[in-house]
Amino acid sequence: DAMVIQNPRYQVTQFGKPVTLSCSQTLNHNVMYWYQQKSSQAPKLLFHYYDKDFNNEADTPDNFQSRRPNTSFCFLDIRSPGLGDAAMYLCATSRKVTDEAFFGQGTRLTVV
Amino acid sequence: AQSVTQLGSHVSVSEGALVLLRCNYSSSVPPYLFWYVQYPNQGLQLLLKYTSAATLVKGINGFEAEFKKSETSFHLTKPSAHMSDAAEYFCAAAAGAGSYQLTFGKGTKLSVIP
Repeated sequence: DAMVIQNPRYQVTQFGKPVTLSCSQTLNHNVMYWYQQKSSQAPKLLFHYYDKDFNNEADTPDNFQSRRPNTSFCFLDIRSPGLGDAAMYLCATSRKVTDEAFFGQGTRLTVV
Repeated sequence: AQSVTQLGSHVSVSEGALVLLRCNYSSSVPPYLFWYVQYPNQGLQLLLKYTSAATLVKGINGFEAEFKKSETSFHLTKPSAHMSDAAEYFCAAAAGAGSYQLTFGKGTKLSVIP
């Protein structure tokens, strides 16, 4: 049974058109993460939530925002996608950071 | 700041041969260490993790890794490669309690030759 579910698996958006990616979890974990993974590169942490506390990485562009309305759901909003934002976006959860992180299948974003 | 180095962006082995993927970390304090596997267009799956218990860690699919503090290494091995092992492997480190960031290495793509 899927424990971290990302929708959609593939998303095509137009240059500059806002897009939202979603993530849900059935694990009741405190921590939820969003990672960006560009082709042939390591995942890069964008931000994370510990419960409702939001933590933005210093080098995450302002173009990227996130919402966590409840424990189960977390959203990634890209306000004005550029061609350089095309990537796989990975959602992950963990009880605490030193525990195993459970990853979703990812959403592959294409910007046209 | 924590950093993780994976030697070799691409490793090829014959089916049945030993798999060795190298990972070194930089930290004065031994971190928590993880190996993840990623199949094409999929998320990451945990293979194994080191959390300061036994230095030899056994994971899924026959993989294991040995933590060597003196070498600041956490290399991943499997005695006999299978075709299904072909994937990308990421080593990652978390600094410990209070740190919310996993630092990933750049990944090693493993090819298995029949």
